Amino acid sequence: QSVLTQPPSVSGAPGQGVTISCTGSRSNIGARFDVHWYRQVPGTAPKLLIFGNNNRPSGVPDRFFGSKSGTSASLAITGLQAEDEADYYCQSYDSSLSGPVFGGGTKLTVL
Amino acid sequence: QLQLQESGPGLVKPSETLSLSCTVSGDSIKNSGSFWGWIRQPPGKGLEWIGSIYLNGRTYNNPSLKSRLTITVDTSKNQFSLKLTSVTAADTAEYFCARYNSSRGYFDPWGQGTLVTVSS
Repeated sequence: QSVLTQPPSVSGAPGQGVTISCTGSRSNIGARFDVHWYRQVPGTAPKLLIFGNNNRPSGVPDRFFGSKSGTSASLAITGLQAEDEADYYCQSYDSSLSGPVFGGGTKLTVL
Repeated sequence: QLQLQESGPGLVKPSETLSLSCTVSGDSIKNSGSFWGWIRQPPGKGLEWIGSIYLNGRTYNNPSLKSRLTITVDTSKNQFSLKLTSVTAADTAEYFCARYNSSRGYFDPWGQGTLVTVSS
């Protein structure tokens, strides 16, 4: 069971938007540790999508937006495209574990 | 462009030791000034942080693996390595290495991963 909780799956039609939630606790997200998001196409390595709650690495389109509030974070994707189909993981740091922690992952399906 | 590549046996017998290396290319491992980490992903499941190492050799390990885990760095080879002892089928996973940005707390870039199966 993952320290951070994500919905197992979300879906949306092309052009629409979806939001993926990431729920933590006072020892990780609620302790003001940054939240980061990764995108993983099955069979490949995860790739950094959002870092520091709401920063996009070079090359990531502004259709991807991260936010954080309290003990939770969210990844919003607008203008869904077929190539957005992938697994998305949130990650933070946990002071109880003294190390990085991940969410269980959310599978995005573009209908 | 910094690149990482995992290497090691794809099959390990139960109770034996899993050994993997991660070779860093595109820059000296000494220049990056970062932590280097290992993450694993059992088939069909999520990601789990295994442990991280800084250039001075100081390690930070997942408490659930701490007693079985050794992470080392060899700056002369631009590599860091993982040893996990007394493996069981539960250690079967895709193993990834990555650079860990300790100031912000994220992993980037990642190696392509290597599948390790524990089976007799």
